[in-house]
Order: sequence, then C-alpha cells, then structure tokens
Amino acid sequence: DIVMTQSPDSLAVSLGERATINCKSSQSVLYSSNKQNYLAWYQQRPGQPPKLLISWASTRESGVPDRFSGSGSGTDFTLTISSLQAEDVAVYYCQQYYSALWTFGQGTKVEIK
Amino acid sequence: EVQLLESGGGLVQPGGSLRLSCAASGFTFSSYAMSWVRQAPGKGLEWVSDISGSGGTTYYADSVKGRFTISRDNSKNTLYLQMNSLRVEDTAEYYCAKAVVIAAPADYWGQGTLVTVSS
Repeated sequence: DIVMTQSPDSLAVSLGERATINCKSSQSVLYSSNKQNYLAWYQQRPGQPPKLLISWASTRESGVPDRFSGSGSGTDFTLTISSLQAEDVAVYYCQQYYSALWTFGQGTKVEIK
Repeated sequence: EVQLLESGGGLVQPGGSLRLSCAASGFTFSSYAMSWVRQAPGKGLEWVSDISGSGGTTYYADSVKGRFTISRDNSKNTLYLQMNSLRVEDTAEYYCAKAVVIAAPADYWGQGTLVTVSS
C-alpha cells in the first residue's frame, strides 16, 4: 500500500497568516501516461464529513476560496492557506487515488493562534 | 443537488453482522464509482472499499477483506456494505462517497452512520 505521511500533525496560525501543510507519499503518485498527480486534499470541520478542496494535486474544486492552493509532484505535496480565516479551523487530509486502494494521511489539525 | 444518505448503523456485538445502505440522488448513480470510508472516534480517515459504476469491479482494504462485501443496486440508486464477523476495531463512523471513477477523488460525501461494536 502507498503510505501517506503528513507534517506537522497540528499547527496554530494567527488569523490572516499563512498555513502550510506537507504530505509525502511512499511512492510516486504521478501517472506517467497523463502527467497527472493522483493526489487530493480534504477539509474536515468538527462534526462534518470531509469536503474535497483540491484534486490532481493543484486543481481547486468549484466554490473553494482561492486562499487554498495545492502544489507538488511525484512524492512531495503541499497545501497552503494563504490567509487563515476563522472558518478554516479543521483537520486537513491528503489522499492518494493512484492506487485503487486509497490511502489517507493521518491528518493535520489547524487551529487559530 | 447531489445527496448521499447513509443508514443502517447501530450497536452490534462482536462477531455480529450489519448492513449499511447509502441512498443516492441528484446524479446518474450508475455512472459513478462509489466508496465507503470510515473514521474511528477521534481518529483519521480509513478507506474501506470501492465499487465501479457497473458493480463489476470491487476493492477492499486488507483490514476488512473477507468480512465485508460492497454492492450496489443501480435500479434503486443505493450502495450497500454488508459487514460480517464484526470486531471492536470496526467501531467507526462510516461514510459513503462518490467519485467519477475509482481512480478519482471523492467529490461528495454523505453525513455518515455510526457503527459501534461492543459487548
């Protein structure tokens, strides 16, 4: 199975400041034939189901604020929240769908400092 | 509007069985892959199983292989998860999720149904 490892496990950021979450996969999730990274980011607010924020490593879903951005390729990926808002308090997960056996990172809890 | 509504959760003893359902609406159900993902209390997300739109292809996590069976009834727009030989460690919120194909992210999730395995 592809192991997804996120860092840090938690971070506290002041309102309006940048939050950066890293995700590393144990093997490349870049599919050579189409040059796509099979990597998604989800947000899970307390008491809610996960919500897809970013797919294909960097494609923001419709309706997702542009302060959220994804980057990276191969095995190393980053989710950036450029200016943290109160409603961004949540746990964020990366996920690979390169393999039919999906795997998720352990999650990163984002809080307000 | 896409809606996914899980049901069937509850309290069951170790070794028991339970069948979860996920009623889908707002999209052409048979055209999309579906998945079950679970979350133990206070823990992270764990993928459980996938099924293709036709139902002809299925995948399972090693932790549930041989005990759980995913299926779908495209005439009823409903996804199922038959869970047998349940263990305490199967206690979790179970979410159904929709994807364009199995090799795609889950773009819609249900609200979840709680399964508690305890004596």
